[in-house]
Amino acid sequence: DIQMTQSPSSLSASVGDRVTITCRASQSISNYLNWYQQKPGKAPKLLIYAASSLQSGVPSRFSGSGSGTDFTLTISSLQPEDFATYFCQQSFTFGGGTKVEIK
Amino acid sequence: QVQLQESGPGLVKPSQTLSLTCAVSGGSISSGDYYWNWIRQPAGKGLEWIGRIYSSGSTNNNPSLKSRVTISVDTSKNQFSLKLSSVTAADTAVYYCARDPGGRLLDYWGQGTLVTVSS
Repeated sequence: DIQMTQSPSSLSASVGDRVTITCRASQSISNYLNWYQQKPGKAPKLLIYAASSLQSGVPSRFSGSGSGTDFTLTISSLQPEDFATYFCQQSFTFGGGTKVEIK
Repeated sequence: QVQLQESGPGLVKPSQTLSLTCAVSGGSISSGDYYWNWIRQPAGKGLEWIGRIYSSGSTNNNPSLKSRVTISVDTSKNQFSLKLSSVTAADTAVYYCARDPGGRLLDYWGQGTLVTVSS
């Protein structure tokens, strides 16, 4: 089975900061990688699919990159509503999540 | 706009069967090449994919849950269901249903329903 490892598990950042979250697959998965945002008490929301495609309605400050085994989710300028937990997903496996907290 | 809504008992006794339904609105469950999924999340933890069903009725389940999972679809009611047998406290979680439009991404989710396994 393919394992998905996210890092860091948590981070503290300020509004306006550039934030990068990493997801690593245990073997090559081409570009079959999706990113989700989850706020407390809410369902996850799809942000990025196929590694770098922005889901409709998602702000352009979110971007994704990578292929093979290493992937990143970048928030170019962190906004107050972006404080949440982010998950990567490959097929039927999710990463452990990265909690983005206010510094 | 597609909407999904989970429903079912919030409390299940150990060794019994957990049963949930996901009602789909804003579109037919049998139209298009969609897969209908169940995912769960224990409190404070990550997401675990449980299984999925295609509108034709074919299914895929998480091997870690072995043969405890049954997913079915009722196209006449535009809903799909999850049964998880022989539950233990480890099955306590928020259960979500979600749509996969193909490509193994999940673009629409239900709000989630908390199921607690306790006597």
